[in-house]
Amino acid sequence: GNSVTQMEGPVTLSEEAFLTINCTYTATGYPSLFWYVQYPGEGLQLLLKATKADDKGSNKGFEATYRKETTSFHLEKGSVQVSDSAVYFCALRDSSYKLIFGSGTRLLVRP
Amino acid sequence: DAGITQSPRHKVTETGTPVTLRCHQTENHRYMYWYRQDPGHGLRLIHYSYGVKDTDKGEVSDGYSVSRSKTEDFLLTLESATSSQTSVYFCAISESSGGQNSPLHFGNGTRLTVT
Repeated sequence: GNSVTQMEGPVTLSEEAFLTINCTYTATGYPSLFWYVQYPGEGLQLLLKATKADDKGSNKGFEATYRKETTSFHLEKGSVQVSDSAVYFCALRDSSYKLIFGSGTRLLVRP
Repeated sequence: DAGITQSPRHKVTETGTPVTLRCHQTENHRYMYWYRQDPGHGLRLIHYSYGVKDTDKGEVSDGYSVSRSKTEDFLLTLESATSSQTSVYFCAISESSGGQNSPLHFGNGTRLTVT
């Protein structure tokens, strides 16, 4: 079945460092891809999405490109802030309309 | 914020008791979902609904049932709660117009503890 694999965390960075969180997927067909963010004690918020190959989703300085050839959707940010500390989830949605999540990656940004 | 309200926000119950969690939406979206979140597992789909009285199982549906008698309400019932069902439960909704491209929007969760 379809699945999403994320890099293990936690990822610890200093403020203004470059961030990459790796995400790869396995899917039949052409899923849509999403990144969600969860701040402590809160629900999940949509961060960005991409719906077809080579699409780039972006929001709040975060970017991710839908790479069909490598089945990847890595999340990047050029300069992280302490306020970016959260858990990040990669997910895919297929033609069944289910949203399938990776296990999440915790990011900790130190001042 | 998407108009999603989960109730209760916190609940402690004893093993063997029935529990019902409620998700209420004000967006008139067709799709509704119940997920559970556990450390190391991300979010796993329990059940989902694609319309009034239309529901289907997710990957971890054993021990759970759902009902959707109105567009705005989606109920999750644990018929006889077990300690393994201690978790944080999230409801989500999605519109149908964008198909699989439409994102899910999540409620703030219900923390359930089964003692």
